[in-house]
This record gives sequence, C-alpha cells and structure tokens, in this order.
Amino acid sequence: GQQVQQSPASLVLQEGENAELQCNFSSTATRLQWFYQHPGGRLVSLFYNPSGTKHTGRLTSTTVTNERRSSLHISSSQTTDSGTYFCAIDHNAGAKLTFGGGTRLTVRP
Amino acid sequence: NAGVIQTPRHKVTGKGQEATLWCEPISGHSAVFWYRQTIVQGLEFLTYFRNQAPIDDSGMPKERFSAQMPNQSHSTLKIQSTQPQDSAVYLCASSLVSYAEQFFGPGTRLTVL
Repeated sequence: GQQVQQSPASLVLQEGENAELQCNFSSTATRLQWFYQHPGGRLVSLFYNPSGTKHTGRLTSTTVTNERRSSLHISSSQTTDSGTYFCAIDHNAGAKLTFGGGTRLTVRP
Repeated sequence: NAGVIQTPRHKVTGKGQEATLWCEPISGHSAVFWYRQTIVQGLEFLTYFRNQAPIDDSGMPKERFSAQMPNQSHSTLKIQSTQPQDSAVYLCASSLVSYAEQFFGPGTRLTVL
C-alpha cells in the first residue's frame, strides 16, 4: 500500500481563507520534509520537521512522529500560495525520501 | 549559493537515442540523489551517492539507466536507448550529509519522441 498518503488531493480556497494539509505515513520515519512546487517549478523545501511544530511566516508544520502524521497549516492564503504541496519521509530511516501524491492548492482572488 | 544546478533544463530525444543529464550539487554537500517525476507515478527515487560512492540504486531501472559521480562537483544520469516511457522530469537533490534536509534542482524535462 501507499507509504505516504496526503489529503486532500486537491483544495480550492478563496484568498484569505486558511488551509490544513494532512500527511499520514505507514512506516517509522525519522525525517519528514514538506515541499512546495509551482507548476513547472522546482521543489522548494518548506520545512524539515521530524517532530514537533515549526513556523515560518504564514506556514506552520506540526509532526507527531509516533502517530505517523504531519500537517501543514497555511493561514490567510494568497493567490501566490497556489501550487502543489508534497510531504516526504525517510521510509524505514533510509537516506532516500518517499513522497506522497501531493495536495494541489488553488487560491482564487 | 546557486543551489543545485541541473542541465539541460529540457531535452528532446528520438526513440533509441542516448540522453545524458547533469547535476551540480550544492558545494560542500556530500550526498547526491536522483529522482524522477511523472504525472502517473509521482515522485520516485532512482539512486544516491555519498562522497561520490554509489550507495543505493534500488530505484534505477535495471537496463539502460546508469549514474555516475566522477567528482564532488557533478553527477550524471545516462539513459541509453531512450523509450517514450522514459519521458519525465528528472530531479537531482543534495544534502549536507546523507540523513539531512534535501535541496532540489530545477529538474531536466526529458521528452522521448
């Protein structure tokens, strides 16, 4: 089965609304990264968050490792937040990352 | 810091031709990773080097694909006899050490006609 599951698969917001993106994983993970990808763009690392809560600007990532889940909260969304957000873990503590299928976010003006 | 550099950004090949993709990791990073992104399969790991040595190639197709890292400043991914199903965006990433935050390059979009 899928080792990293993200939900929702897609999300449409009006500018100013908040978003909560979920990531659940089926194996032990010692590292978790959240990435953002604009269509046609590179993967940009948002958070390297193996556990606990981290903030940067309007973004907050919370990872509960022993419950095998992480969330990405976007507050006061802007049209420039539109794109795909990926969660990735180190499956079974390996060096390589295993990615979820992503959440495609569209923020309308 | 220019980040991870990948060249070319786009490559179009005919079926059966060879394609070589280049990656320059962030200076000082000891681990280099190759991934592939397609609409159908999503993001998949291909192979990884640590201190230029191949460590894990479990994601590499057994035939036609090979990767090298001849020095600390660049890695190559070579695909022989390209097939239409090889069409994808090939991503290179590097990290300071193996089990650390990974930083990605812009990718090379390979189109096999």
